[in-house]
Amino acid sequence: AQKITQTQPGMFVQEKEAVTLDCTYDTSDQSYGLFWYKQPSSGEMIFLIYQGSYDEQNATEGRYSLNFQKARKSANLVISASQLGDSAMYFCAMRRMDSSYKLIFGSGTRLLVRP
Amino acid sequence: ETGVTQTPRHLVMGMTNKKSLKCEQHLGHNAMYWYKQSAKKPLELMFVYSLEERVENNSVPSRFSPECPNSSHLFLHLHTLQPEDSALYLCASSQVEGSKTQYFGPGTRLLVL
Repeated sequence: AQKITQTQPGMFVQEKEAVTLDCTYDTSDQSYGLFWYKQPSSGEMIFLIYQGSYDEQNATEGRYSLNFQKARKSANLVISASQLGDSAMYFCAMRRMDSSYKLIFGSGTRLLVRP
Repeated sequence: ETGVTQTPRHLVMGMTNKKSLKCEQHLGHNAMYWYKQSAKKPLELMFVYSLEERVENNSVPSRFSPECPNSSHLFLHLHTLQPEDSALYLCASSQVEGSKTQYFGPGTRLLVL
């Protein structure tokens, strides 16, 4: 069975510094996708970044990058130059790259950016 | 117009009421999803519609009834709910091909009294 583990329930980071949010996953599939979402207190889940299991390069989107280590089954999110608006819950998720539509979510990490 | 909209944003209902949640996507997607997010629990997928056909139904009680009249609209009809159904209900949409990256709406916060 697939599983996503986020071991950090809460994190602090100083404004303008970088922060890494951990995500490990468990799957026996060879083809899968990994996603990160941000959920501010307003509730909306905002898509941040995607990494396919066969992608050779780590995904990047602006200040977000995904540190993908396939052998270790980890997909950590790195946020560079943190901003106050980055304070939110962050969820790692995975999907099998077959006909399934199901996203498996982790329990999330609450990030608080200090001024 | 934002990508995925949901109405109402907040809803309080009694256990005997009937209400409906509405979701609309403006992204040209052809798959739509309902999720439930309860406090201290991971997101739970409830229903998936692909090309207007229901393709996943994850053991959701029959008091929740989805409807997808076209690829842009999704409804969740609610009747005789229980207090434990109080949660944030999120709608999402995606393409049926490729990464199927899901884009979410702002959610409806539901309180059942």
